[in-house]
Amino acid sequence: TQTVSQSDAHVTVFEGDSVELRCNYSYGGSIYLSWYIQHHGHGLQFLLKYYSGNPVVQGVNGFEAEFSKSDSSFHLRKASVHWSDSAVYFCALSMWTGGLSGKLTFGEGTQVTVIS
Amino acid sequence: DAGVTQTPRHEVAEKGQTIILKCEPVSGHNDLFWYRQTKIQGLELLSYFRSKSLMEDGGAFKDRFKAEMLNSSFSTLKIQPTEPKDSAVYLCASSHRDYAEQFFGPGTRLTVL
Repeated sequence: TQTVSQSDAHVTVFEGDSVELRCNYSYGGSIYLSWYIQHHGHGLQFLLKYYSGNPVVQGVNGFEAEFSKSDSSFHLRKASVHWSDSAVYFCALSMWTGGLSGKLTFGEGTQVTVIS
Repeated sequence: DAGVTQTPRHEVAEKGQTIILKCEPVSGHNDLFWYRQTKIQGLELLSYFRSKSLMEDGGAFKDRFKAEMLNSSFSTLKIQPTEPKDSAVYLCASSHRDYAEQFFGPGTRLTVL
């Protein structure tokens, strides 16, 4: 059984400051990890993904995430947030079962509020 | 390219009614997903199709929820009969078979009175 946990339900950050959103997972096999963003009233949008190679991956709009197998983590970071980054962020896991399963298991989500 | 289209955007139903939600995936995508999103439960997988074949349907949703993929460019989710606890946002997503990145539609907000 695979699980994804996002420990922070809400994060408030000043515009221009950095932010880190935490994601921890549990699964014994090969996995694919990703982050999605959901603005209010909209569907989810893909930000970035990691499967193998360089543990630091770059995404859209200045987001990056770092994979750590030892910590079972895939934390998302941004160096300088903008008001438009206010949204809910979801961490997601997909299992490698011979072929890559399309099914995603999502974390609970972290609401980010950017204030000026 | 057009993204994932969902209709209607909003639906209000009386308890016991049958409602049908519609989804058109991104052209050429082979995987299609239906999710239910609520504040309490978060994102829950309802159904997963690969090349129109049902790969998984959420066990807890089997009795009143039925998703179908009539062709590669159209899917429906039927809820019959509706209950107030079905009030949620229903999201449809699609992806290319060889990549796990999913493209989401805007969702249908269902309110059951």
